[in-house]
Amino acid sequence: AQSVTQLDSQVPVFEEAPVELRCNYSSSVSVYLFWYVQYPNQGLQLLLKYLSGSTLVKGINGFEAEFNKSQTSFHLRKPSVHISDTAEYFCAVSAPGRRALTFGSGTRLQVQP
Amino acid sequence: GAGVSQSPRYKVTKRGQDVALRCDPISGHVSLYWYRQALGQGPEFLTYFNYEAQQDKSGLPNDRFSAERPEGSISTLTIQRTEQRDSAMYRCASSLVGVGNEQFFGPGTRLTVL
Repeated sequence: AQSVTQLDSQVPVFEEAPVELRCNYSSSVSVYLFWYVQYPNQGLQLLLKYLSGSTLVKGINGFEAEFNKSQTSFHLRKPSVHISDTAEYFCAVSAPGRRALTFGSGTRLQVQP
Repeated sequence: GAGVSQSPRYKVTKRGQDVALRCDPISGHVSLYWYRQALGQGPEFLTYFNYEAQQDKSGLPNDRFSAERPEGSISTLTIQRTEQRDSAMYRCASSLVGVGNEQFFGPGTRLTVL
């Protein structure tokens, strides 16, 4: 079974500052990794995913994440945030051959002017 | 094109009543998933279908929960004899078949059991 830990429930940051949202996972097998964003009153939207290959993954809206197998981490980063990035961010994993996603508890990013 | 749609968006029911939640996936998406999201938590997997076949129902919490997708398109999640602990956001997602494909999520149905 897999599990996902998002240590930070809330991350306040000023506009145009860099941000990192942390995600650690636990699994006995190789996993696929995902970051989803949820804006208020909307469904979840995929930001980026890691399936294999290059450990640095670039996604939409200027976000990127780096897969670190030795540290079992998949932290999300953005060099300069905007007010519009205020949302809830979820890290998720799935095992190859299993379609179910296991989500973390989410990190609320609050971008302040 | 249209995204995943769910109805109703909000459902308030009394304890002991049955409820049916509907999901209409993106046209052409073979796979359909149901998740439940409690307040302040990430979505929790319930079940998924490929076409009309239920492939994995390991996340259904008990036998009061069931799901069907009889024609391989629209799906219904049914909760019988609802309890207050069933109150949550129920989310549906769909995807193309194949590993690692993006799951597109609907807006969810907010279920409140009084």
